[in-house]
Amino acid sequence: DQQVKQNSPSLSVQEGRISILNCDYTNSMFDYFLWYKKYPAEGPTFLISISSIKDKNEDGRFTVFLNKSAKHLSLHIVPSQPGDSAVYFCAATPGNNDMRFGAGTRLTVKP
Amino acid sequence: NAGVTQTPKFRILKIGQSMTLQCTQDMNHNYMYWYRQDPGMGLKLIYYSVGAGITDKGEVPNGYNVSRSTTEDFPLRLELAAPSQTSVYFCASSYSGRGPGPRDEQFFGPGTRLTVL
Repeated sequence: DQQVKQNSPSLSVQEGRISILNCDYTNSMFDYFLWYKKYPAEGPTFLISISSIKDKNEDGRFTVFLNKSAKHLSLHIVPSQPGDSAVYFCAATPGNNDMRFGAGTRLTVKP
Repeated sequence: NAGVTQTPKFRILKIGQSMTLQCTQDMNHNYMYWYRQDPGMGLKLIYYSVGAGITDKGEVPNGYNVSRSTTEDFPLRLELAAPSQTSVYFCASSYSGRGPGPRDEQFFGPGTRLTVL
């Protein structure tokens, strides 16, 4: 039962352009959403999060948008840099210890 | 500050063997977690602990056991290894698990790649 879905396994963008990574969820009990970034042979690292009481959270080049009615969130990276090339995981939790992750999107930023 | 450390980095087991994956954190976090990541899939929670002496099942606990005798350590035990347990295992910790909020950010170790043949 895949409650968090990232339907794009990969995304390739040019350096300096915008990267948009998408995530859909099915469980209406989720009220906190996170994005993690993962480099090869390393564990995921926290990137940015958003509570369900907000529809946007911004941190430098990273912005997460939440559309609760569509059960959809997206991560925008502007401008994209080659160092952003990694796998990005979307995660959601209903506010307890049950964190559900998407399968990840591999972002490649070309110089 | 080493963060979350995991040993070993790689391991090959034969079917039916047992082993323990070690996890240690030095951030004095109360909450610790074990996840597995199968190829092309997201991370799935195996077990978690909210403090020393307290553990609970996650989404996929079958075939695993855990213990938490200290704040720092959270070992994961595989009994009677099966090919279905071939995966990458990640340990994580957080200050609290109450959620939501930035204090609940989970810090991950580098992972243990396990193959069962």
